[in-house]
Amino acid sequence: AQTVTQSQPEMSVQEAETVTLSCTYDTSENNYYLFWYKQPPSRQMILVIRQEAYKQQNATENRFSVNFQKAAKSFSLKISDSQLGDTAMYFCAFMKPLFANAGKSTFGDGTTLTVKP
Amino acid sequence: GAVVSQHPSWVICKSGTSVKIECRSLDFQATTMFWYRQFPKQSLMLMATSNEGSKATYEQGVEKDKFLINHASLTLSTLTVTSAHPEDSSFYICSASKQDSRSGNTIYFGEGSWLTVV
Repeated sequence: AQTVTQSQPEMSVQEAETVTLSCTYDTSENNYYLFWYKQPPSRQMILVIRQEAYKQQNATENRFSVNFQKAAKSFSLKISDSQLGDTAMYFCAFMKPLFANAGKSTFGDGTTLTVKP
Repeated sequence: GAVVSQHPSWVICKSGTSVKIECRSLDFQATTMFWYRQFPKQSLMLMATSNEGSKATYEQGVEKDKFLINHASLTLSTLTVTSAHPEDSSFYICSASKQDSRSGNTIYFGEGSWLTVV
């Protein structure tokens, strides 16, 4: 079974600065997907960024980028130029792209990020 | 992008009654959908996997007779909380996986439903 660990329950950052959220996972699979989701107070789960394990290049989406270290099973999220709207709970998720259970995911416990003005 | 819609967003029901929550994939077909429960400041707890045209697969510890799941079409899954009790009050959220020929699989979530049992 897969496990996802987010070791930082809470973090804070000053507006406009950079913050990195950590995520490690454990799996025996070679091909899989990794995601970071943002959950603001509205509770809507918003996809921030995704990474396919077979791709060596780190994914980037505007101010969000990941540092994917497959051998180390690490998938950290870097948020640059933090904005007040980035305040939310962030979840790291692992998914196996199996046809039988495509979409079944394992989530970390989450990191609550507060961006301070 | 893909959209998954969940309804209702908020529901209050009396103890002992049943309540149904719908999860729809609006612009893609989802043979598999997932139902989660989330307690305040906690992670998502997978309750069950909803399979179109067949029985749902429940996670250990989840009462299948209490949380009825029906996936009658490729775009709709429903979760019915039967004989609801105050301890069933929670945030319920569904998800579906969309396969894209260019980008592979991505999970999309519904907006979630707050259930309060009084």
